[in-house]
Amino acid sequence: DTAVSQTPKYLVTQMGNDKSIKCEQNLGHDTMYWYKQDSKKFLKIMFSYNNKELIINETVPNRFSPKSPDKAHLNLHINSLELGDSAVYFCASSQGLGQGSYNEQFFGPGTRLTVL
Amino acid sequence: AQSVSQHNHHVILSEAASLELGCNYSYGGTVNLFWYVQYPGQHLQLLLKYFSGDPLVKGIKGFEAEFIKSKFSFNLRKPSVQWSDTAEYFCAVKGGNTGKLIFGQGTTLQVKP
Repeated sequence: DTAVSQTPKYLVTQMGNDKSIKCEQNLGHDTMYWYKQDSKKFLKIMFSYNNKELIINETVPNRFSPKSPDKAHLNLHINSLELGDSAVYFCASSQGLGQGSYNEQFFGPGTRLTVL
Repeated sequence: AQSVSQHNHHVILSEAASLELGCNYSYGGTVNLFWYVQYPGQHLQLLLKYFSGDPLVKGIKGFEAEFIKSKFSFNLRKPSVQWSDTAEYFCAVKGGNTGKLIFGQGTTLQVKP
């Protein structure tokens, strides 16, 4: 069973469109995250949610709106897509926020978004 | 602010050579430290992690890392690399209680057969 899954795996779309990426974890974790990996492979956190509450919003444009319908899901909706949004987006989950081995983050397979 | 610096951007080795990838971080408090690997076209996989205790940690596939607190370093080592180790390697740090992982810029390792 896949612990953290994302759909779709690939997403190709035109500038200006609105798209969503879905993430689900079956680990029973309370905390979920979105990371962005740019074309230079640099990884940076975008958001984190704990028990469906937004914890981190790392100066991400408000065109990006995460939504957590329940603790097992954290979806990423992107409005008015721009060329610079092209990247690989990784979802992750952990038991909680603090330090300690029980809060290790598990990553999903990534979604490669290409904006034309 | 927390930051992570990986010294080597691109490393090329021959099979059986020894590997050491440098990682330094800046953070004033207690940290958790990680090395992740990303094989071409694949997702991130955890190689090893340090939370507390023995500063020499062993991970999967023969990798190990040593946490040197005084140097704010967490270097990754492998005594003998294989062609299959060709991948991108990321050092990451977590400090505080926000769950935020700070990644280094990554090191591309190319192992020649």
